[in-house]
Amino acid sequence: QVTLRESGPALVKPTQTLTLTCTFSGFSLSTSGMCVSWIRQPPGKALEWLARIDWDDDKYYSTSLKTRLTISKDTSKSQVVLTMTNVDPVDTATYYCARVTPVIKAFDSWGQGTLVTVSS
Amino acid sequence: QSALTQPASVSGSPGQSITISCTGTSSDVGGYNYVSWYQQHPGKAPKLMIYEVSNRPSGVSTRFSGSKSGNTASLTISGLQAEDEADYSCTSYTTNITLPYVFGTGTKVTVL
Repeated sequence: QVTLRESGPALVKPTQTLTLTCTFSGFSLSTSGMCVSWIRQPPGKALEWLARIDWDDDKYYSTSLKTRLTISKDTSKSQVVLTMTNVDPVDTATYYCARVTPVIKAFDSWGQGTLVTVSS
Repeated sequence: QSALTQPASVSGSPGQSITISCTGTSSDVGGYNYVSWYQQHPGKAPKLMIYEVSNRPSGVSTRFSGSKSGNTASLTISGLQAEDEADYSCTSYTTNITLPYVFGTGTKVTVL
């Protein structure tokens, strides 16, 4: 059974750095073609793709946020970490991690999401 | 890269069929057969309903079907049921290597 779970602070202050961890089970990120993405959704708004890390450590970032984002993985811990620097209230959102497999090239499994509020 | 365009809302009566459109460009929807659709109930994570334009993952009802014509993809829900009331979003691969995915604006489906 595939599961993903996001964890991180519920509240961060403007200008701080946000660190989110996606802990997963039921698959290995060292399997060829496997990827994990971070996606966020501001309250009442659309989903927005943020970043992706692949089994071979290739990384991709949203063009509009790439200067602020860093994605990394720890395969031995089955974790993917996303850091976002210099957060702003507009970064308030539910943050999800999701898997893409080499067979189903879509986000086939999602975490339950973690709500992050940016406020002083 | 702009978000894919979806209608803000679509409604139908139980038993009816409805179709949600997802319009992009030749750089995303029109350029790839990697369009997927997600269902999201309030307070829940999105659930994959359709991948690669028209494929259903195991366990998804056959009432859900997908198609594509040119730069527009569509999700059809037939035999509408109360449990189908939710938000639906599309997404597509893009030719922009620095932004490989783009999501749609989202559609609220209401069962009357």
